[in-house]
Amino acid sequence: QSVLTQPPSASGTPGQRVTISCSGNNSNIGFNSVNWYQQFPGVAPKLYIYTNDQRPSGVPDRFSASKSGTSASLAIDGLQSEDEAHYYCASWDDSLNGPVFGGGTKLTVL
Amino acid sequence: EVQLVESGGAEVQRGGSLRLSCAASGFKFADHTMHWVRQVPGKGLQWVALISGDGRHAWHDDSVKGRLLISRDNRRDALYLQMSSLRGDDGALYYCAAGSSWYQLDYWGRGTLVTVSP
Repeated sequence: QSVLTQPPSASGTPGQRVTISCSGNNSNIGFNSVNWYQQFPGVAPKLYIYTNDQRPSGVPDRFSASKSGTSASLAIDGLQSEDEAHYYCASWDDSLNGPVFGGGTKLTVL
Repeated sequence: EVQLVESGGAEVQRGGSLRLSCAASGFKFADHTMHWVRQVPGKGLQWVALISGDGRHAWHDDSVKGRLLISRDNRRDALYLQMSSLRGDDGALYYCAAGSSWYQLDYWGRGTLVTVSP
């Protein structure tokens, strides 16, 4: 059971807007920033969003993220087939005194 | 070009030991917090351990405390994970990662596979 809760799956058709949520509490997301990672099967994860809403260079601006209270979300506008992957949120947990991942969301492009 | 190359993964018997290594290049190693993250194929990511840039501070997940130990050698740009008293649930793909903070992983290696047999 992950400290950060993500839906196990999400889906959309090409061109749609899809959002993936990440729910925590005041020990983690409430007082610490959130990062997001994208992972394709058989490949190492890649940092996709850092410090709640910042995109590393090379990440398409179709991807955006936000944080509000004890939850965060990743949004993808104009969904494309190449966006089909697993997405993981991560933060620091002050109670556990350690970093934590969400359980991951498998995004399917229909 | 940033490169993180893990090695040392193998099949080992339960209760056995193993040492994973990660060779870093292409960035200022000593300026980055280094991490080990593991993933059972088909499952999610689990943070195993991390160590500060100067090596003075480390964190280990409760599930590995006392059995897995992270260390680094900044003269060799190398990260290590000494694994002992291995259990079945330690079997996974182990990734080495470099970060600019204690939970931001900017660069990842390709992973090295640890299999624990009964």
